[in-house]
Amino acid sequence: AQTVTQSQPEMSVQEAETVTLSCTYDTSESDYYLFWYKQPPSRQMILVIRQEAYKQQNATENRFSVNFQKAAKSFSLKISDSQLGDAAMYFCAYRSGNTGNQFYFGTGTSLTVIP
Amino acid sequence: DSGVTQTPKHLITATGQRVTLRCSPRSGDLSVYWYQQSLDQGLQFLIQYYNGEERAKGNILERFSAQQFPDLHSELNLSSLELGDSALYFCASSVLTSGNGETQYFGPGTRLLVL
Repeated sequence: AQTVTQSQPEMSVQEAETVTLSCTYDTSESDYYLFWYKQPPSRQMILVIRQEAYKQQNATENRFSVNFQKAAKSFSLKISDSQLGDAAMYFCAYRSGNTGNQFYFGTGTSLTVIP
Repeated sequence: DSGVTQTPKHLITATGQRVTLRCSPRSGDLSVYWYQQSLDQGLQFLIQYYNGEERAKGNILERFSAQQFPDLHSELNLSSLELGDSALYFCASSVLTSGNGETQYFGPGTRLLVL
């Protein structure tokens, strides 16, 4: 089974600053998808960003961008101009490109935004 | 709003009891996933259904079972409940799209408290 590792249980960032959350994964596959989900205090799981492994270009969604390093099996999330509403638990997830495979989630990084 | 609905939002019951959690996927989504999230824990994958058939099984206890009905809604049945079953139970739905892979959209969750 694939494993997803988030080595930073907790991170903090000053409001308006930039923070990077780390994620690494273990796989022997070449076709897969990577995701970042945000879980605010309401505990709703919200999709932040998605990356297809076959795409070399890093995905970007407004203030959120990823640094996808396929050879290193690394998938970090960069949050620019951090806002108070960004405070949440962030989960990295992996899904094989094969039909019917499950998603694998990391253990999460708790992000605190300091005013 | 992800388009995935879960009922009930909250459930309080006693040990030894049996409960049923319900999930309605987004319109057009054929896949339903169930996850368990205990307090301050990551997501534990329980089971996946695709168009009415079980597709993948995770760390689901024998006391738990699920099914997906012809109208694609799904139910998770938890029986002989124990204190440790207290958790947030998420349902997520997804659709496989050509070239875009699969993305999960989560419901708001059902908070189960076993006393």
